[in-house]
Parts: sequence; C-alpha cells; structure tokens
Amino acid sequence: AQKVTQAQTEISVVEKEDVTLDCVYETRDTTYYLFWYKQPPSGELVFLIRRNSFDEQNEISGRYSWNFQKSTSSFNFTITASQVVDSAVYFCALTENTGTASKLTFGTGTRLQVTL
Amino acid sequence: EAGVTQSPTHLIKTRGQQVTLRCSPISGHTSVYWYQQALGLGLQFLLWYDEGEERNRGNFPPRFSGRQFPNYSSELNVNALELEDSALYLCASSSYLPAVRSYNEQFFGPGTRLTVL
Repeated sequence: AQKVTQAQTEISVVEKEDVTLDCVYETRDTTYYLFWYKQPPSGELVFLIRRNSFDEQNEISGRYSWNFQKSTSSFNFTITASQVVDSAVYFCALTENTGTASKLTFGTGTRLQVTL
Repeated sequence: EAGVTQSPTHLIKTRGQQVTLRCSPISGHTSVYWYQQALGLGLQFLLWYDEGEERNRGNFPPRFSGRQFPNYSSELNVNALELEDSALYLCASSSYLPAVRSYNEQFFGPGTRLTVL
C-alpha cells in the first residue's frame, strides 16, 4: 500500500527565512509520481510540481525548489526567502498513475505560517 | 482557460438527507476525481471516473456514489447523510497522455463545503 508521511504538522517562520517541508513516501511500485500541492485558506488545492520516479533531478522554480532522493524515499520542498503569501497548508502526494489506478495518496499536510 | 468548477459552494443538510454535488472538469480533461477532506482525517480519495466509467473507488460506504456524463462533468451523491460526512469535497480533473501512457497532474476545483447537522 502507498503511504505519504509529512512529519511536520506546523512550521512558523519569519518572512525572508528559508524553510524546508519534508515528505517521505512508501510504495512498492517502480513507476510512480510525486506531487506537491498548496492549499491556501480559500481551500482550493493549487498544483505546484509533479516528478516521476525515473527523474531524480532536483528542480528549481523561482523561490521554490524540490529535492527528490529515491535512496531515502524523500521528496522535500524548500521555499527560499519566504513571504507572507506562502502561508498555507502544503500537501505532498503520491500516485502509481497506472491505467487502472490514478488516485492520489496525500500526506497529512504541513501548515506553514509566515509572519512579518 | 476555465479551471475546474464545483457547485454549490456551501451546503447545509440534516442527518438522513441526500445531497448531490456537481463538478465540471477543465475543457479537454476526461477524468474526474472526488476527494473528501474532513477535519482530522486529511484528504481521502473517494472516486475516479474516466470516459464515463467508474475506474477506482476509495474506502467509502456504498451510500457514496456518483456518475460521469458524456460531457465529462460529474456528480457525487451521498445518501443517508451522517454527521461525519461534514467535510470539504474536492473535485479534480486530468487527462490521459497516450505518448507517456499516464495521466497528467490533477487540477482541483474550489470545493463544496458540506455541513451535516
């Protein structure tokens, strides 16, 4: 069975600090996809990134970066120079994404609070 | 391009009643997914519809059901409502990519907040 663990329930930082959100996953599949979503107070889940299991290259998008390490089954998310607008709940998710099972398994989320 | 839309935004029902939630996917997307986000339980997968058929179902009782229409929009029906059905119900859509034989990422709607009294 698939499982995603986000051990950090809540993180508080001061604006401009860097922050890393941890994600550890379990799956028996050799082909899978990992995701990060952001859920602001409005409730809508906003897609941030998708990474497939064959691509371990780290990715940077503006202030966001992701570190995927298959050896430790981790897919961590770093926000550089955090801003108040980054305050939200962040979810890591996993899917085996085969033709018969494309559901997302979510972690419990990490609530990030960025203050001035 | 319009995103995933859901209606209604909010809903208040009483125990035992029935409710229907609606979702319209992004144009061109053939798959629709339903998730429940209840307090303390996180995001739980409910149902997946693709090309009009139910493809996968989460660990929910049969009183949770749905369907997908020829235009790919979808309905989620919940019968005999219970207090613990109070939650945010999120719909997502995606499309199949034949070149890579997988589905692209799921894009979510704003959700329907259901309160059962």
